[in-house]
Amino acid sequence: QVHLQQWGAGLLKPSETLSLTCAVYGGSFIGHYWNWIRQPPGKGLEWIGEIIHSGSTSYNPPLKSRVTISVDTSKNQFSLKLSSVTAADTAVYYCATSPLSCNGGSCSQSYFDYWGQGTLVTVSS
Amino acid sequence: DIVMTQSPDSLAVSLGERATISCRSSQSVLYSSNNKNYLGWYQQKPGQPPKLLIYWASTRESGVPDRFSGSGSGTDFTLTISSLQAEDVAVYYCQQYYSTPLTFGGGTKVEIK
Repeated sequence: QVHLQQWGAGLLKPSETLSLTCAVYGGSFIGHYWNWIRQPPGKGLEWIGEIIHSGSTSYNPPLKSRVTISVDTSKNQFSLKLSSVTAADTAVYYCATSPLSCNGGSCSQSYFDYWGQGTLVTVSS
Repeated sequence: DIVMTQSPDSLAVSLGERATISCRSSQSVLYSSNNKNYLGWYQQKPGQPPKLLIYWASTRESGVPDRFSGSGSGTDFTLTISSLQAEDVAVYYCQQYYSTPLTFGGGTKVEIK
């Protein structure tokens, strides 16, 4: 059974950098994509991006210029940095796992099977 | 980007009655080489992260009650709760994982009538 535990600063000022970390317990770091997803208060879910154990990443285009997702396989952790935050970045941020889906010689992400508890990040001056 | 459109935005159903939620994708999420629909359904209760209910459009996640079922193919999908229970009050989201950026529907709020 996989368990995700996330942490990071919950209150930021505009222009600062959001930084969150997610630790993975009870599962292999290999064989999964590791994702960040956010949810503004009272709104729907937005995928931010993903990383695989090799370090290969994919980001949502509207956020791509400000997002960095990294992985530390020695600690079974992955992290999110979002630079130059504004009030529009206020949201609950979730980390989530996605099992590899392999078809023939290629593999891709799939559904989100395990989620962190969520971190409310508020951007306010 | 693949746009996911859910309907209705909300619905109220009596206890024990059927609840049906629709999800439409702007392009097919059926991968022809393996005949799988890259579509998942999630349940989110207030203050909690989403919980995976259904993947590959119709495969129930372990531990999910069998009153939850998923159907559909290509661009049109349905989540059905066959007999609504009080604990099913939540917001339900569909999500495609056919291509990045991964995208979610806007959500459907299910309440008790």
